[in-house]
Amino acid sequence: AQSVTQPDIHITVSEGASLELRCNYSYGATPYLFWYVQSPGQGLQLLLKYFSGDTLVQGIKGFEAEFKRSQSSFNLRKPSVHWSDAAEYFCAVGAGDYKLSFGAGTTVTVRA
Amino acid sequence: DAGVTQSPTHLIKTRGQQVTLRCSPISGHKSVSWYQQVLGQGPQFIFQYYEKEERGRGNFPDRFSARQFPNYSSELNVNALLLGDSALYLCASSFLDNEAFFGQGTRLTVV
Repeated sequence: AQSVTQPDIHITVSEGASLELRCNYSYGATPYLFWYVQSPGQGLQLLLKYFSGDTLVQGIKGFEAEFKRSQSSFNLRKPSVHWSDAAEYFCAVGAGDYKLSFGAGTTVTVRA
Repeated sequence: DAGVTQSPTHLIKTRGQQVTLRCSPISGHKSVSWYQQVLGQGPQFIFQYYEKEERGRGNFPDRFSARQFPNYSSELNVNALLLGDSALYLCASSFLDNEAFFGQGTRLTVV
């Protein structure tokens, strides 16, 4: 069965600084990988996804993520954070079937 | 295009009661999945339905059931509610497997 670990529960970053959120997955074959963002009390919005091909994936809102098979990682990055990026971020892995397994999430706080 | 819509947005129930949550998928999507998100945790998979058939079920008790209608909308039912069922219930629709689009969720509080 697949699983996801997000090692950082909470990250605080200054506005304009860079952001990196870590995600490690466990799955025997090539995974389908996703990053979602959730604002308080809201549903999940898909930021980006990786299915195959180029290991550097561009998403919405200026986010990108890099798939590293050797490290079983799919870290999310943004070069310059805006106050509106404060939210909870979830990494998820799928096996090509119907089910997504999510990490516990990382809460991002942006300070002025 | 309208996204995934869920109703109601919030509700409060008493222990032992039953609840029905509703979900309308994005037009053209035939797959609907349900997830439970307890406060402070990531979403946990409950069910997926495709073309009105159950394709998968997560590790939830039989008190949880679901169905999908001919128009691809779906209902999630939870019987004999427990305090621990308090959560945000998320519905997601998909056209292709694993590319899930989520609704805003239904916040269920059990008192």
